[in-house]
Amino acid sequence: DILLTQSPSSLSASVGDRVTITCRASQTVTNYLNWYQLKPGKAPKLLIYAASRLQTGVPSRFSGSGSGTDFTLTISSLQPEDFASYYCQQSYNIPFTFGPGTKVDIK
Amino acid sequence: EVQLVESGGGLVQPGGSLRLSCAASGFTFSNHAMTWVRQAPGKGLEWVSAVSGDGQNIFYTDSLKGRFTISRDNSKNTLYLQMSSLRAEDTAIYYCAKDRGDETDSFDTWGQGTMVTVSS
Repeated sequence: DILLTQSPSSLSASVGDRVTITCRASQTVTNYLNWYQLKPGKAPKLLIYAASRLQTGVPSRFSGSGSGTDFTLTISSLQPEDFASYYCQQSYNIPFTFGPGTKVDIK
Repeated sequence: EVQLVESGGGLVQPGGSLRLSCAASGFTFSNHAMTWVRQAPGKGLEWVSAVSGDGQNIFYTDSLKGRFTISRDNSKNTLYLQMSSLRAEDTAIYYCAKDRGDETDSFDTWGQGTMVTVSS
C-alpha cells in the first residue's frame, strides 16, 4: 500500500495568512493526488484533483502543486470558512489511501 | 443538484451485521464508480471499498475483505455496503462518494455520512 504522510499535523493561523500543507508519498503517484477539506458534521469536499487542478466551485485561493512523491496544498489568504481539516489522497494504486490529515485552527 | 444520502447506520453488537445504503440523485448513476470511505472517532479518513459503474469491478481495502460487501442497484440509483462480523474498530462515520468520472479517480461529491457504532 502507498503510505501518505502530511505535515504539519496541525497548525494555528490567522485570517489572511498564507498556509502551506505538504503531502509525501512512499512511492511515486505521478499526479494522482487529490486534496479534500473536512469539517465536522459536513460532507467532505474535493478541493484539488490531479495534484493541481482546481475543482469547480472551489475558491481560487486554494492551489495545489507537485508530482511524483511530493505535493503541496496552499491557501493564499486564509478565510474564516477555511478552518477545517485537510487530507491528501492518492488514486494511483488501490487501495486509495489518505494522508493522516492536517487540522487548521484559529490562532 | 448532485446529491448522496446515506442511511442504515446505528448501534450494533459486536459480531452483528448492518447494511448501509446510499441514495444518489442528480447525475447518471450508472456512469460513475462509487466508493465508501470511513472515519473512526478522532481519526482520519480510510478508504473502504469501490465499485465500477456497471458493478463488475469491485475493490476492497485488504483488512476488510471477507467481512464487507459492496454492491449497487443502478435501477434504484443506490449503493450498498453490507457489513458483517462487526468489531468495535469498525465504529465510524461511513461516507459514500462519487467518482468524478475521469481518469483521476477523485471523489467530487460526498454524502453527509451515517454513523455506525459497534458496542455491547
